[in-house]
Amino acid sequence: DAGITQSPRHKVTETGTPVTLRCHQTENHRYMYWYRQDPGHGLRLIHYSYGVKDTDKGEVSDGYSVSRSKTEDFLLTLESATSSQTSVYFCAIGTGGGTDTQYFGPGTRLTVL
Amino acid sequence: GNSVTQMEGPVTLSEEAFLTINCTYTATGYPSLFWYVQYPGEGLQLLLKATKADDKGSNKGFEATYRKETTSFHLEKGSVQVSDSAVYFCALSGTGGGNKLTFGTGTQLKVEL
Repeated sequence: DAGITQSPRHKVTETGTPVTLRCHQTENHRYMYWYRQDPGHGLRLIHYSYGVKDTDKGEVSDGYSVSRSKTEDFLLTLESATSSQTSVYFCAIGTGGGTDTQYFGPGTRLTVL
Repeated sequence: GNSVTQMEGPVTLSEEAFLTINCTYTATGYPSLFWYVQYPGEGLQLLLKATKADDKGSNKGFEATYRKETTSFHLEKGSVQVSDSAVYFCALSGTGGGNKLTFGTGTQLKVEL
């Protein structure tokens, strides 16, 4: 299995509070991704990173920010959580090549009350 | 933009039945195609992939063929087992930068004795 961990695995928070989710990899892959999974939508890309300090937006980036200060860590921050951000969040890693496979972490279940 | 359409679930089958889960896509260029599987409470695992037209991906008895003429990548298995019960996601990788994945909404498979 690809070495990907996510923390925390579960979190309950209140509307308006900041939340940071962490993804850590031991594979030294250049690309890292954050997706959210919601019923009826499959997985949708929030943000991704193609190197240290290099990030770009995905399909559903509003309300989220990311940072990557080291190759192995990719942080997702909800500056002011809303109930619509209740979801399961998955981190993925990959080499970024045209036929590349992405490998997924175990997920973080976030509930915003 | 890119999109993936999967058949609605849940799909309920008896053990040893034949499985087909339909997947069609819309994309520019020549994307790679993937099937991922998600067991309850877990992250996504790559099941199989195909990177060019007419390629057949296969793994654990599952198969899918990249059909460019019908823009399809249907998942098949000749004889399902209870342990195959999971949610299956069809996905394609973008041909632009970042190798971003676009997912279908997922199809839940339930296999009964």
